[in-house]
Amino acid sequence: LAKTTQPISMDSYEGQEVNITCSHNNIATNDYITWYQQFPSQGPRFIIQGYKTKVTNEVASLFIPADRKSSTLSLPRVSLSDTAVYYCLVGDPPYSSASKIIFGSGTRLSIRP
Amino acid sequence: DGGITQSPKYLFRKEGQNVTLSCEQNLNHDAMYWYRQDPGQGLRLIYYSQIVNDFQKGDIAEGYSVSREKKESFPLTVTSAQKNPTAFYLCASSGSGRSSYEQYFGPGTRLTVT
Repeated sequence: LAKTTQPISMDSYEGQEVNITCSHNNIATNDYITWYQQFPSQGPRFIIQGYKTKVTNEVASLFIPADRKSSTLSLPRVSLSDTAVYYCLVGDPPYSSASKIIFGSGTRLSIRP
Repeated sequence: DGGITQSPKYLFRKEGQNVTLSCEQNLNHDAMYWYRQDPGQGLRLIYYSQIVNDFQKGDIAEGYSVSREKKESFPLTVTSAQKNPTAFYLCASSGSGRSSYEQYFGPGTRLTVT
């Protein structure tokens, strides 16, 4: 199973770039890496997904090294509204088994003025 | 206006009572999920349904039951056998092919059992 490990919390300031790393040593060949953002008392929201190298969209970038044993979510020029919990999820949906659906504990990101 | 709805947003029950949480989606998604979230914790899978009339237990399915009779509906029943049911419950769905990688989440139901 591709269990993930993330830092419990991170702090940063408005306008800075924030990088959150997720370790997934047991990632399988067909697994993709997906990141979600969750605000308090809301459901998580999809941010970005990738398989290898670099993926960029309008809100974030995802860097995946060649061995794919980790990934880094990069948030450029964060604002107070980026304060949230960020989860990485590794897997190959549609999932053949419920045991393959594992969200980690997430990283609580706090942005200060 | 497509999306996932969960109702109610807040639910209060007495210990020993069964309660059913509603989850409906109009995204035409095949897969649906139920997660439980405790304060300050991550999401834990309760049940997963890949298609209609099929569902699989997650790691914490004890004390819960589901049905998937229609594609758009995936209700979760919290039974009296669930020892610690107070939590935030999230329902999600995902499509097929490339869109299967993105789970769409509902707003959640906060259940309090006293």
